[in-house]
Amino acid sequence: DGGITQSPKYLFRKEGQNVTLSCEQNLNHDAMYWYRQDPGQGLRLIYYSQIVNDFQKGDIAEGYSVSREKKESFPLTVTSAQKNPTAFYLCASSIFRFGGATTYEQYFGPGTRLTVT
Amino acid sequence: SQQGEEDPQALSIQEGENATMNCSYKTSINNLQWYRQNSGRGLVHLILIRSNEREKHSGRLRVTLDTSKKSSSLLITASRAADTASYFCAIDVLGAQKLVFGQGTRLTINP
Repeated sequence: DGGITQSPKYLFRKEGQNVTLSCEQNLNHDAMYWYRQDPGQGLRLIYYSQIVNDFQKGDIAEGYSVSREKKESFPLTVTSAQKNPTAFYLCASSIFRFGGATTYEQYFGPGTRLTVT
Repeated sequence: SQQGEEDPQALSIQEGENATMNCSYKTSINNLQWYRQNSGRGLVHLILIRSNEREKHSGRLRVTLDTSKKSSSLLITASRAADTASYFCAIDVLGAQKLVFGQGTRLTINP
């Protein structure tokens, strides 16, 4: 799982509660990403950040929020507005070249499985 | 959809046989990447092939890319039980600066 840590591995919450998932990397990567994976499905991009204090919405950002106050950290908050939050959440990081066009290989954390009841 | 479409969705073969997975897409790309995911774990990068490359090798892996057909294939030779996993293609869409993942192929290697 490289130099990316996600905690906790399993998380249980009651419906209506916000919950924050942690993602930390020590790879000195500029870019960080959050993905959601549902059973038997591929990854869908929630948010990504290419530089500290800046981030962009991915394909399924509704009901989620992020911050990027430090290069090493990119926490994801699943808010009560997310209608179906139970899923496997994956954080990743990669090199990012400003002014470049290519997306480089991504390094993934071990994931957090969130269950909301 | 920009998403890579993978085929087959599931593949079961005997140990020692070769496994081939295919990925098709609809947009122009910078590169195409393949990842492996063991059950309940994070993804691991396997290989990246650029749009101007046609074939790339890494150990028992061989990836081909045909940009005219907008398709790629991943070949795993001499499969082992440890190769049992899901395999995903991810396309680096031209101008998007993010990856778009396919739905994956679940590969099972039977001993």
